[in-house]
Amino acid sequence: DADVTQTPRNRITKTGKRIMLECSQTKGHDRMYWYRQDPGLGLRLIYYSFDVKDINKGEISDGYSVSRQAQAKFSLSLESAIPNQTALYFCATSDLKSGGEDTQYFGPGTRLTVL
Amino acid sequence: QKEVEQDPGPLSVPEGAIVSLNCTYSNSAFQYFMWYRQYSRKGPELLMYTYSSGNKEDGRFTAQVDKSSKYISLFIRDSQPSDSATYLCAMSVWYNFNKFYFGSGTKLNVKP
Repeated sequence: DADVTQTPRNRITKTGKRIMLECSQTKGHDRMYWYRQDPGLGLRLIYYSFDVKDINKGEISDGYSVSRQAQAKFSLSLESAIPNQTALYFCATSDLKSGGEDTQYFGPGTRLTVL
Repeated sequence: QKEVEQDPGPLSVPEGAIVSLNCTYSNSAFQYFMWYRQYSRKGPELLMYTYSSGNKEDGRFTAQVDKSSKYISLFIRDSQPSDSATYLCAMSVWYNFNKFYFGSGTKLNVKP
């Protein structure tokens, strides 16, 4: 977990507020991801980035935006938070090896509560 | 229909038991299969991965893939209380690495 850090670890905010979750990694990986985890639904991909100039929507990108400030930094923003965005958010990184394996390494998570 | 189905449990077993965790999937294009372990209030960590049908062993853990049945399993031998966690299966299409499909996780409790 120390290779992938997320801030803040916990956040309580109110409906309509803008909030940013930050992710930093020291693994030197090009690929970074944002997921949310909800009970019974597992991990769902919000956005992913294969390099600084490449940003792609995942399966649940509505209501979210991202910024890849550098190879090591990938931020997730909720422009106007709503209660159903209450969830556990994970950042992950991966590195496509020569053998074709693309293993993801996860940060410790941010627990977000929107009141 | 979800791409990957996993029984949420919880599964409670005594220490030393053999544990079987399972996932089914619907996309026959999946080629790369993974198991992640997630302790409470932590991020998932990769436990094992495999590409093909058959078994792969790593210590007390064995990953099994049956592509014909679209079914994967993780067996834990001599289970320990430290194995208590949520186990997530994940898989992806071989030539498309941008998306991993995760199961919802099975919560395992190993009682001392």
